[in-house]
Amino acid sequence: DGGITQSPKYLFRKEGQNVTLSCEQNLNHDAMYWYRQDPGQGLRLIYYSQIVNDFQKGDIAEGYSVSREKKESFPLTVTSAQKNPTAFYLCASSTQPLGQRNSPLHFGNGTRLTVT
Amino acid sequence: AQKITQTQPGMFVQEKEAVTLDCTYDTSDPSYGLFWYKQPSSGEMIFLIYQGSYDQQNATEGRYSLNFQKARKSANLVISASQLGDSAMYFCAMREGLNYGGSQGNLIFGKGTKLSVKP
Repeated sequence: DGGITQSPKYLFRKEGQNVTLSCEQNLNHDAMYWYRQDPGQGLRLIYYSQIVNDFQKGDIAEGYSVSREKKESFPLTVTSAQKNPTAFYLCASSTQPLGQRNSPLHFGNGTRLTVT
Repeated sequence: AQKITQTQPGMFVQEKEAVTLDCTYDTSDPSYGLFWYKQPSSGEMIFLIYQGSYDQQNATEGRYSLNFQKARKSANLVISASQLGDSAMYFCAMREGLNYGGSQGNLIFGKGTKLSVKP
């Protein structure tokens, strides 16, 4: 079955350590996104990528980095510069050709990161 | 200013009854899309329904329908015949075009409404 796989589901790290969250999709989607969700909040965009080897900052990119070396993969690194990294992280993808407004985002199951 | 506003942090509904979850939005883009997602306690985001700004009819998908009032900039989700499995967070989201501040393909989300279905 096609879908988006995020791993691990739960991740624990010590403060000051970088950590990389995995996101893999086999939907053949061009566009991929990373969102952060905090309790009682909606999703906020961290980074997005429309094509391999290209990505753009979202609304809250500070302290995060990404790469898009393969169409299927869009890993997110939470660096030690991120001041409040504990959150739920969701990866998404979309067919979304430019101008097609009705393509929904397809989401993975998320990774819950706890930094102490 | 918030682009998507969901004014009901929490809602209760009796099983088998209908419930309306409110969503208002703010955009100057004439061509936008509105989405509703369901997030169970497990965390995944499940796409429910879509409404385009130029769609003449309200969107429907099974027990879900969208009460789209363009002049009022509201896109309320109606769930008919509620089931216990409908208990979840529900998010309204909007996609704008590049010329109106939209990142390519990104969705802007509201803060959500927690729906609890009582047996």
